[in-house]
Amino acid sequence: DQQVKQNSPSLSVQEGRISILNCDYTNSMFDYFLWYKKYPAEGPTFLISISSIKDKNEDGRFTVFLNKSAKHLSLHIVPSQPGDSAVYFCAASEGGTSYGKLTFGQGTILTVHP
Amino acid sequence: NAGVMQNPRHLVRRRGQEARLRCSPMKGHSHVYWYRQLPEEGLKFMVYLQKENIIDESGMPKERFSAEFPKEGPSILRIQQVVRGDSAAYFCASSVRDYGYTFGSGTRLTVV
Repeated sequence: DQQVKQNSPSLSVQEGRISILNCDYTNSMFDYFLWYKKYPAEGPTFLISISSIKDKNEDGRFTVFLNKSAKHLSLHIVPSQPGDSAVYFCAASEGGTSYGKLTFGQGTILTVHP
Repeated sequence: NAGVMQNPRHLVRRRGQEARLRCSPMKGHSHVYWYRQLPEEGLKFMVYLQKENIIDESGMPKERFSAEFPKEGPSILRIQQVVRGDSAAYFCASSVRDYGYTFGSGTRLTVV
């Protein structure tokens, strides 16, 4: 039972353009959502998060949008840079916290071409 | 303390042997989490521990797997009688209760 799904295994974008990574969830009890970035042979690194009481959160080049009615969130990276090339995971938790049990999606491989 | 430290980085075990994975949390962090990433998949929650207590082990396989976080020393994830399906990357994370996770670099277990 995949409660968090990232349906695009990969995404290729030109440097300077926008990258949009998508994530869908099925568990209506999820109320806190996070995006992580992962390089090969390293652990995931926290990028940005959003609580279910918001529909948008912005941090520099990264913006996360949450559509609760559609159970969908997306991560926008503008402008994309070659150093952004990595695997991106969305994750969700219950209880409105960034700690505790997280449920992860399968990941999307982002490649940003110079 | 530069971060969450996991060792070994790579571990090779023959089928039937035991695997011990260690995790030293960041200084001041008293909460430890273990996740497993199988090939081509996302991270799957295994267990959440505080010092000397297992808080949530809902993701742990019922047999062969155990975890501890003693009063002194690192957290240990122990896999007895390993099988090929246990081959995966095992990630540990730590946190302060009211703040988010920091992940370690993982231990890549290969069962031959």
